[in-house]
Amino acid sequence: RKEVEQDPGPFNVPEGATVAFNCTYSNSASQSFFWYRQDCRKEPKLLMSVYSSGNEDGRFTAQLNRASQYISLLIRDSKLSDSATYLCVVIINAGNNRKLIWGLGTSLAVNP
Amino acid sequence: EAQVTQNPRYLITVTGKKLTVTCSQNMNHEYMSWYRQDPGLGLRQIYYSMNVEVTDKGDVPEGYKVSRKEKRNFPLILESPSPNQTSLYFCASSLRQLTYEQYFGPGTRLTVT
Repeated sequence: RKEVEQDPGPFNVPEGATVAFNCTYSNSASQSFFWYRQDCRKEPKLLMSVYSSGNEDGRFTAQLNRASQYISLLIRDSKLSDSATYLCVVIINAGNNRKLIWGLGTSLAVNP
Repeated sequence: EAQVTQNPRYLITVTGKKLTVTCSQNMNHEYMSWYRQDPGLGLRQIYYSMNVEVTDKGDVPEGYKVSRKEKRNFPLILESPSPNQTSLYFCASSLRQLTYEQYFGPGTRLTVT
């Protein structure tokens, strides 16, 4: 089983739709969680951190479920500009260091 | 403007010809790393550096070298490139090790023939 798993999609949704992605992780000692956004052939950029109590940033809501070991990203009122790949990132302790584990990403296409 | 820069952005080279991809950040970040991104495999870390003169292997270090002589620069060296190193490469930096936001460079698309 992969350490971080995401549904690759693609998710095709109309403008204005609400869409949600999940990301499951296998290491129960995972410490920190993030969602990054990557546009085609460009660099990943941080979308939002994921806090234990859940957090919201405008149309985006991130949640963490430690019991079931997944994080989620909800996008409300989808815009054409939301079309991108969304990468789930988990930080785990690895010996004396921390390690960043990247999911393969979920592709979203928002259609007019 | 706070940024990570990489050069070159695109490179086509031949097997065995040594090359260096430069990476520089102007944010005084301690932590820097190199990734490669391949279809179906996602982002994989090649090397990372926790600070000046401190480097360590990531998940896929074979065929690569790095150095960190100054805080701002973290070049990636391919001593003898091979076709399986054809990939999209990203340099990234963060304030400290992984706790903070990773800032990525624009990427270097390398083709080895």
